[in-house]
Amino acid sequence: GENVEQHPSTLSVQEGDSAVIKCTYSDSASNYFPWYKQELGKRPQLIIDIRSNVGEKKDQRIAVTLNKTAKHFSLHITETQPEDSAVYFCAASKTGGFKTIFGAGTRLFVKA
Amino acid sequence: DVKVTQSSRYLVKRTGEKVFLECVQDMDHENMFWYRQDPGLGLRLIYFSYDVKMKEKGDIPEGYSVSREKKERFSLILESASTNQTSMYLCASSPGATNEKLFFGSGTQLSVL
Repeated sequence: GENVEQHPSTLSVQEGDSAVIKCTYSDSASNYFPWYKQELGKRPQLIIDIRSNVGEKKDQRIAVTLNKTAKHFSLHITETQPEDSAVYFCAASKTGGFKTIFGAGTRLFVKA
Repeated sequence: DVKVTQSSRYLVKRTGEKVFLECVQDMDHENMFWYRQDPGLGLRLIYFSYDVKMKEKGDIPEGYSVSREKKERFSLILESASTNQTSMYLCASSPGATNEKLFFGSGTQLSVL
């Protein structure tokens, strides 16, 4: 069935360093790839998304890249700050479908 | 700002009880979803609804049912709660005829003893 694999499960970086989280999806028809951030005790919230007609999207310190051929997409956070500490989920869905399939999540720790 | 409200933040129930989790959204979204969140497993879809009185099974529907009598309200029902249903339950909504970004509620932490 459809699935999304996410790595690593835990990531610890020093403040100011970059963090990269990688995901692989199985359904080649997937064309929408959102990323959600969940701070401790809070609801998941969308931080960035990308559609399959573009290869990269940037929003300040956050960027997402997509390789449709390899069915990979990645989240890049530059100049990390303590408030970036959270669980990050990648996800995939497709036009005409209602399901969003989530990765297992990455717990990011940013050490001050 | 979209608001998705779940009726309870914490619930403790006994094995065999019937449990109702309620979710209300205030943005006239067509689609509503119930997810279950467990450590290391991410968010898994239980049921979703794309219109009033319509419901579709997600990936893990066993032991659950849903009800959507009004557009803004989507209820998750555990017919006979079991200990393996102890989990965080997240409701979400989205606009439109197909999948777009999800707006989540704050979650209900359910413990079944």
